[in-house]
Amino acid sequence: QSVLTQPPSASGAPGQRVTISCSASSSNIASNTVNWYQHLPGTAPKLLIYSDNQRPSGVPDRFSGSKSGTSASLAISGLQSEDEADYYCSGWDDSLNGPVFGGGTKLTVL
Amino acid sequence: QVQLHESGPGLVKPSETLSLTCTVSGDSIIGSYWSWIRQPPGKGLEWIGYIYYNGSTNYSPSLKSRVTISIHTSKNQFSLKLSFVTAADTAFYYCARGSAAAVYWGQGILVTVSS
Repeated sequence: QSVLTQPPSASGAPGQRVTISCSASSSNIASNTVNWYQHLPGTAPKLLIYSDNQRPSGVPDRFSGSKSGTSASLAISGLQSEDEADYYCSGWDDSLNGPVFGGGTKLTVL
Repeated sequence: QVQLHESGPGLVKPSETLSLTCTVSGDSIIGSYWSWIRQPPGKGLEWIGYIYYNGSTNYSPSLKSRVTISIHTSKNQFSLKLSFVTAADTAFYYCARGSAAAVYWGQGILVTVSS
């Protein structure tokens, strides 16, 4: 069971805004920043958001991240068909001195 | 442009050792952390471990007793060995640059454990 909890699925129509949540179950994770990845199985995961709300170069500003307390969120506005993918949050676990991943959220564009 | 490429056998027998290599191009392996992550079919991403260019490592506690990650600076490669594999180790295996937020990943390689 992941120490970062995500809803298994989310959906939205083209053009809509969707949010995906990520909740940390322990304080040694909650005190660190959160990253978000977009993943199509069998392909390389793509870093969308790092340090809670920063976008790497080339990531559209339709993708945004936020964090408050032990919960983080990824928002996708202006939903497009190509956004249909799995989305994972990740954080740093101080006790492991390593990263942990959420269970993933499958986003369906209706 | 930084590229990572995983290579190795796609089929490993139970109880044997899984061995994969990640070849890095477009960037020096020196100065960075390098990670292995896997994804079993139908499941989420799982961190395996990472290595710093100086050879220091950190492994997931759940795999620590069976995992070795090593680095080969002269070849700009790093490698993964996972011993005593079972069907539960069947997964896509990815290499990536970094220990936390990783921008650069390999495309992944499917390793099936089966006799």
